[in-house]
Amino acid sequence: GAVVSQHPSRVICKSGTSVKIECRSLDFQATTMFWYRQFPKQSLMLMATSNEGSKATYEQGVEKDKFLINHASLTLSTLTVTSAHPEDSSFYICSASGTSTFTDTQYFGPGTRLTVL
Amino acid sequence: AQSVTQLDSHVSVSEGTPVLLRCNYSSSYSPSLFWYVQHPNKGLQLLLKYTSAATLVKGINGFEAEFKKSETSFHLTKPSAHMSDAAEYFCVVTPRGANFGNEKLTFGTGTRLTIIP
Repeated sequence: GAVVSQHPSRVICKSGTSVKIECRSLDFQATTMFWYRQFPKQSLMLMATSNEGSKATYEQGVEKDKFLINHASLTLSTLTVTSAHPEDSSFYICSASGTSTFTDTQYFGPGTRLTVL
Repeated sequence: AQSVTQLDSHVSVSEGTPVLLRCNYSSSYSPSLFWYVQHPNKGLQLLLKYTSAATLVKGINGFEAEFKKSETSFHLTKPSAHMSDAAEYFCVVTPRGANFGNEKLTFGTGTRLTIIP
């Protein structure tokens, strides 16, 4: 159990376009989802925390108008990178925690590699 | 406040020899501690976790870690390295609570493990 998927796994886009990344909990209800960003050979940086049906809470320094997060259901959260620029190129990873037996840790998705040309 | 220090950014061991990845933590609260593994371009997989039970924690793939409060350490070990163990390893701390799947995770900077054939 506790499988989290992300789509797409890789995306390449032109500068100025918007990109949406989906994070799904496949076999449990995710009451909380987290979005992380990972630069090459570096650790994960938490970008924001989202609870189902509520506005996301962003970490200091993360532009909420640039990184739009929606957690509309207990199995789906989306991260939209608006007006992407090359400096937004990164590996984006989501994690989820849920109800019942899935509250004990965060379960991570496989990540999405975004390349902005 | 909490933090994690992974003492080695890179560890190389020969196949079949023991592995030791070091982690020290600092926390204002009783911590929960985790080790995650990340293979190239993949998401994070939970290796093991310490919550409040036995201080010696056994995880997947033959890994184990020992929580030592007096030393504020949570080192990861494996008796015999396998080529498939080559990856990035992250030590993670979070405040311990009944529902700490929803707590912010604080990541160490990672240790890259290389296995020499």
